[in-house]
Formats: sequence, C-alpha cells, structure tokens
Amino acid sequence: EDQVTQSPEALRLQEGESSSLNCSYTVSGLRGLFWYRQDPGKGPEFLFTLYSAGEEKEKERLKATLTKKESFLHITAPKPEDSATYLCAVLGYGQNFVFGPGTRLSVLP
Amino acid sequence: DAGVTQSPTHLIKTRGQQVTLRCSPKSGHDTVSWYQQALGQGPQFIFQYYEEEERQRGNFPDRFSGHQFPNYSSELNVNALLLGDSALYLCASSLGTGGSEQYFGPGTRLTVT
Repeated sequence: EDQVTQSPEALRLQEGESSSLNCSYTVSGLRGLFWYRQDPGKGPEFLFTLYSAGEEKEKERLKATLTKKESFLHITAPKPEDSATYLCAVLGYGQNFVFGPGTRLSVLP
Repeated sequence: DAGVTQSPTHLIKTRGQQVTLRCSPKSGHDTVSWYQQALGQGPQFIFQYYEEEERQRGNFPDRFSGHQFPNYSSELNVNALLLGDSALYLCASSLGTGGSEQYFGPGTRLTVT
C-alpha cells in the first residue's frame, strides 16, 4: 500500500529564514510526486510535479527535489504570504493519488 | 480559462439525510476525482470518473456514489449521512487517467448535525 509521511507537522519561520519540508514515501512504482499548497478552507493549489530521482523544479522562492525515497520542498527567504499548509502526494502504478497529512508553515514578519 | 468549480460552498445536513455535491472540471479536462478532507488531514481519495464511468475507488462505503455527465461535470452523492461525514469535499480534474497533475476546486464544506 502506498504511503506518504510529511515532516515537520508544523513549522514556524521568521521572514527571510530559509528551511526545508520533507515528504517521505513508499510506492510500488512511482508515476509522479506532486506538491500542493493549501490555504485554510480552500482547495489545494498545484505547485510541482516530479517524475524521477534527481529531478528539481523551481518556482519563485520554492524549489522541489526528489530522491528514490523522499522529496524536499526548499523555501528560500520566505515571506508571510508563503504561510499555508504544504501537501505532498504520490501516484503509483495502478493506484490513485495518496496524500500526506501536510506541513503547516507559518512565516512571521 | 475557468478553473474547477464546485457547488454549493457550504451545506448543513442532519444525520440520515442524503446530499448531492456538484463539480465542473477545468476547461479541457475530462477526468474528475473526488476527495474527502477532514480537518487537519490530507485529502482522502473517494473515487475517479472518466468517460462517465467510475474507474477507481478508494476505501469508502457504498453510501458514497457518483456520476459523470457527457460534459465531464460530476456529482458526488452521500446517503444516510453520519456525523463522521462532516468534512471538506474536494473535486479535482485532470486530463486523462495517465497521471497528469490534478487541479482542485475550492471545495464544499459539509456539516452533519
């Protein structure tokens, strides 16, 4: 059974303090790993798709990387507007999207 | 370009009642998936519709059923509501079932009293 765990559960950063969020997964054949951002009471917003180990994607202050067992979402010089829950999901062969519980990020001014 | 839309935004129902939630996919998408998200948790997959058929189903009871229409829009029906069905119900659309990224709607907040 495909599984996704995320750490830390919650993270508080000062504005400008860079950090990384972790997504660890077990999947029987990875078709893709997806990162989403979710604001309270809203639907998840798509950020990145990663398909193979070694792949990296960047968007503004966010950079996602992928290994065979985990993915990292690096946040460089975060701003208060980056505060949200960040969700990781995997898609395996013959399966559907399995989401992790998310990391709640708070960026303080 | 219209994104994924869902209706209603909020809904309050009583235990034992039935509810229908609606979703219109992003323009150009033909596949709709439904998720249940409890507070503080990640979305849990309910089922996926493609070409008007349920293609895959998660670990949810038969009280949860759905439908997809020829215009790709979809409905989620829940019968015999339980208190535990209170959650944010999310619809996501994608192109095909090959694993392309899913785009989510704003969700429907269902409260069962």
